[in-house]
Amino acid sequence: GAGVSQSPSNKVTEKGKDVELRCDPISGHTALYWYRQSLGQGLEFLIYFQGNSAPDKSGLPSDRFSAERTGGSVSTLTIQRTQQEDSAVYLCASSQLAGEAGELFFGEGSRLTVL
Amino acid sequence: QKEVEQNSGPLSVPEGAIASLNCTYSDRGSQSFFWYRQYSGKSPELIMFIYSNGDKEDGRFTAQLNKASQYVSLLIRDSQPSDSATYLCAVKDKIIFGKGTRLHILP
Repeated sequence: GAGVSQSPSNKVTEKGKDVELRCDPISGHTALYWYRQSLGQGLEFLIYFQGNSAPDKSGLPSDRFSAERTGGSVSTLTIQRTQQEDSAVYLCASSQLAGEAGELFFGEGSRLTVL
Repeated sequence: QKEVEQNSGPLSVPEGAIASLNCTYSDRGSQSFFWYRQYSGKSPELIMFIYSNGDKEDGRFTAQLNKASQYVSLLIRDSQPSDSATYLCAVKDKIIFGKGTRLHILP
């Protein structure tokens, strides 16, 4: 497909389990972003990848959260030992241009529910 | 001070009127600014971006930037019910978003 693809679209897990969320950006886009959106809230920045540079992890809320981007393309966001407060929609976005100039294209999101 | 601040609303505007959405930011060095629209249950989509002080018009939408006062605005003329959504302001390289303003256009 031509857009940003995220999987799974919905994930229900039990507290304490680990989850992996996947993002497949638009081909050729060098920048990739992860955001979290809780119900009725704004977008919370989590992490930003730009090309081969070290990622900006300043938004990750705790050390239970980590993300990788392999080969400058697909990214995986991992949440270890999930907690109920992790329940949210996790949005991935990619951009063709770095930083200031790039329009973000969003995926449909992965809705995570932690029971 | 939060990096990007918006009034969460809801902002109710009669159909056909002008809707005015405001956003302030803390980083004086920010160079580019974006307005995204998010319909309920959907992902955000870009409406406009602006880099230079002043106004930028695109159809019924006008973005206004004042770097000295550190605010950016979005005006929607001839508001339509289909404009009812949450409008997110975003700034700089990490694309930090405000919490968004919910806009209701009253038919």
